[in-house]
Amino acid sequence: DAKTTQPNSMESNEEEPVHLPCNHSTISGTDYIHWYRQLPSQGPEYVIHGLTSNVNNRMASLAIAEDRKSSTLILHRATLRDAAVYYCILDAGGTSYGKLTFGQGTILTVHP
Amino acid sequence: EAQVTQNPRYLITVTGKKLTVTCSQNMNHEYMSWYRQDPGLGLRQIYYSMNVEVTDKGDVPEGYKVSRKEKRNFPLILESPSPNQTSLYFCASSLYPPRVRGYTFGSGTRLTVV
Repeated sequence: DAKTTQPNSMESNEEEPVHLPCNHSTISGTDYIHWYRQLPSQGPEYVIHGLTSNVNNRMASLAIAEDRKSSTLILHRATLRDAAVYYCILDAGGTSYGKLTFGQGTILTVHP
Repeated sequence: EAQVTQNPRYLITVTGKKLTVTCSQNMNHEYMSWYRQDPGLGLRQIYYSMNVEVTDKGDVPEGYKVSRKEKRNFPLILESPSPNQTSLYFCASSLYPPRVRGYTFGSGTRLTVV
C-alpha cells in the first residue's frame, strides 16, 4: 500500500503563508491525494484533495508535483485557528478501493 | 445539520464484555468507515463499507466486527474487548465514489478497556 511521509512539526507566524509538504513516492496512478486537519478532541476535518492538477478552495491550495510523488498544502495566511495536526492521505484505487492510508501528520504551530 | 454522529463519546468497560459503538450519518452517504487513533500511530483504518451489505477490512481489523444493514448506520462491535483496544475511535462517511468528495468524520469515541 502507498504510504505518505510528512515532517513531524512545523511553525509559522500569524498571517504568513505556510507550506506543508508530503512525500508519497509509491503513489499509484489512480490514488487521490487528500488533506485533513485535526484540532484537539475533534475528528479530522476535510481541507482539500486532488489527483493531478493543482487545486484551490477557500481554505487552502494544493500543489501536486508533476510526477505526483509529492504534494504541498499551502495555507496562504495562517491564523491561530489553523494550528492543528495536518494529515496527508492517499485514497487508494484498484483492488484497495476505499481504503485510506494516513500519514503520521504534521503538527502546525502558529505564533501570534 | 449534515453530520456523522457517534455514541457514546466516552466509554469505560471491562475486558471481555461485548460492546457496540454506534455511527450514524444523515447525508445519504454510501461509504462509511471506522478508524482508531493511538499516540504515535496516527489514524488507522479498521473496516470500511462501500454500501449496504458490503464491508471490507482496513489495516487493523482484528478484534472488531462491523455490519451495514442500513445505509445510515455502521456500528462497530467489539465481541470481547481487550486492553489493547483502548483507543480513540472515529467514524467517517462520504459520497460514492469517496475519492471525489471529502470525508466527514464524527467527533470520536474514547474507549477505555480495563
